[in-house]
Amino acid sequence: GAGVSQSPRYKVAKRGQDVALRCDPISGHVSLFWYQQALGQGPEFLTYFQNEAQLDKSGLPSDRFFAERPEGSVSTLKIQRTQQEDSAVYLCASSLRSSGSRDTQYFGPGTRLTVL
Amino acid sequence: TQLLEQSPQFLSIQEGENLTVYCNSSSVFSSLQWYRQEPGEGPVLLVTVVTGGEVKKLKRLTFQFGDARKDSSLHITAAQPGDTGLYLCAGARYNTDKLIFGTGTRLQVFP
Repeated sequence: GAGVSQSPRYKVAKRGQDVALRCDPISGHVSLFWYQQALGQGPEFLTYFQNEAQLDKSGLPSDRFFAERPEGSVSTLKIQRTQQEDSAVYLCASSLRSSGSRDTQYFGPGTRLTVL
Repeated sequence: TQLLEQSPQFLSIQEGENLTVYCNSSSVFSSLQWYRQEPGEGPVLLVTVVTGGEVKKLKRLTFQFGDARKDSSLHITAAQPGDTGLYLCAGARYNTDKLIFGTGTRLQVFP
């Protein structure tokens, strides 16, 4: 398909486990964003890439959260030593140009993470 | 901390009724977007407003950006069950690349 895809769609982890969430953006899109969405709330910004460069990581909640986009396409969000408060839907979005916030962001379906 | 407050948080109405959703902030935004999100999916962009006082119409949906660029509203005329979903406003701040999302309004339209 031509849209943003994310995997896995659902992830259950025991507290303390590490998890890796994958995002495949739309081919050719320069900008890539990660958001965290708690149940019943709006998404909150985590981090932003322009190609392979991570330009803004101000939304990452702690140093347990790490994101990368080594070749400027696929991105991985890694959470180390997961805690119950990390339970949320993690959304990935991509946009065509570098002015991400003023360009249409296309969202993937999200990965629902549940930490037991 | 979310800078954009939406009201109401929940709205349950009958088909054919009109409704308005509000998105308010004390901060100024360069542009504001409205999204609709359905269960198990990511948000889908409905409209972007960029000029203070701007009004945009999309079929039965009317979007307005406040004169001071701090608030916005979404009005739906003659709501239909297909309008059911989570409505999110999102603001872009000057000189940043990230969107700040509102708290969300969950709309349920019954036939």
